[in-house]
Amino acid sequence: DTGVSQNPRHKITKRGQNVTFRCDPISEHNRLYWYRQTLGQGPEFLTYFQNEAQLEKSRLLSDRFSAERPKGSFSTLEIQRTEQGDSAMYLCASSFRENEQFFGPGTRLTVL
Amino acid sequence: AQKITQTQPGMFVQEKEAVTLDCTYDTSDQSYGLFWYKQPSSGEMIFLIYQGSYDEQNATEGRYSLNFQKARKSANLVISASQLGDSAMYFCAMRDVRTGANNLFFGTGTRLTVIP
Repeated sequence: DTGVSQNPRHKITKRGQNVTFRCDPISEHNRLYWYRQTLGQGPEFLTYFQNEAQLEKSRLLSDRFSAERPKGSFSTLEIQRTEQGDSAMYLCASSFRENEQFFGPGTRLTVL
Repeated sequence: AQKITQTQPGMFVQEKEAVTLDCTYDTSDQSYGLFWYKQPSSGEMIFLIYQGSYDEQNATEGRYSLNFQKARKSANLVISASQLGDSAMYFCAMRDVRTGANNLFFGTGTRLTVIP
């Protein structure tokens, strides 16, 4: 097992375009989290999946954001009509127990 | 309300010396968990150590130890025998009990620089 993976690692897009990120969690981890990290800040929680069910969404997750985890395996995070304020590092984490969360390398989004 | 405070924006330490990174927290819950992560310039968040509020002993993982003082609500990270590869951002985090997700709630981080 190689840990949590995320693709792409970097994404540059123009304002108004749609983007989609993928996260592959550690196998057998039933919990999956998405976070967003802006420059100089710690990560902020976006949404949570337990298996295929999306159980929590933060207020940061506007209507332009949607996340899925079909079949409880990989997850995708889509941002529609991107804005410059969406520029950030998007981090995915997975866990099996509540005393752990393992993060992926992140996807750095730049919106021009 | 929950809060994580890291008051040291930047710290310097000589190679092979020990360093303490401060973290204080605020919560009204009796059951909580505290985490420390390292974030090198590559961006990945690397899990270092975990301390549960009911754990009787301070957590240790190799060169990392957590100085947990429950009454003072502090959970400082101690790195012994610093190495050049320890230069990174370090984040203290707490499980967010306001949601049912066990997501983490992070401080603003401390940038550690190890000097040769």
